[in-house]
Amino acid sequence: AQSVAQPEDQVNVAEGNPLTVKCTYSVSGNPYLFWYVQYPNRGLQFLLKYITGDNLVKGSYGFEAEFNKSQTSFHLKKPSALVSDSALYFCAVKDTTSGTYKYIFGTGTRLKVLA
Amino acid sequence: NAGVTQTPKFQVLKTGQSMTLQCAQDMNHEYMSWYRQDPGMGLRLIHYSVGAGITDQGEVPNGYNVSRSTTEDFPLRLLSAAPSQTSVYFCASSYSQGSPLKQYFGPGTRLTVT
Repeated sequence: AQSVAQPEDQVNVAEGNPLTVKCTYSVSGNPYLFWYVQYPNRGLQFLLKYITGDNLVKGSYGFEAEFNKSQTSFHLKKPSALVSDSALYFCAVKDTTSGTYKYIFGTGTRLKVLA
Repeated sequence: NAGVTQTPKFQVLKTGQSMTLQCAQDMNHEYMSWYRQDPGMGLRLIHYSVGAGITDQGEVPNGYNVSRSTTEDFPLRLLSAAPSQTSVYFCASSYSQGSPLKQYFGPGTRLTVT
């Protein structure tokens, strides 16, 4: 079965420090991977995606993610965290099983950036 | 563009009542989907559609019905609400083919079933 895992419920980081939010995946075939962010009482917003190509993907708001095929990981990173980055982050994978269009989301990681 | 819109924003139902959550998009997206968000569970796919007249089940379809008569609208029906359906519901849309594949989410409907 295809799945994603976000092993940390919450990540705390000081403002100005680099941040990493972890995601690992399990898919058959080539993975289509995504990161979304959810601010309080809002819908999810797309940050970035990996389809193919460079392992380092750049996205919105200064975020980037590193695809690592051998470790089946797609960790979200940012060199310098802002207090405004505090939110709930979701990793997702598109089910590549033939004939389906399902997206599978992780359980989310709450990022708290401390001033 | 309004993007993805959902109504109502909040709803309280009694057990056994029925209702329809509305979702509309004005981006001419083929793909539309419904998710529910519960604490510690992330987002779980309820139903999705890849075009008018075509729907399929997701991970947690029981207790919910959908139909897709137009490209723009994708309503979610609860026929007999249960307390286990208390959740926040999100509708999303995207192109179903090609490079983008990113989903656009609506603002959500917070449903409480008593």
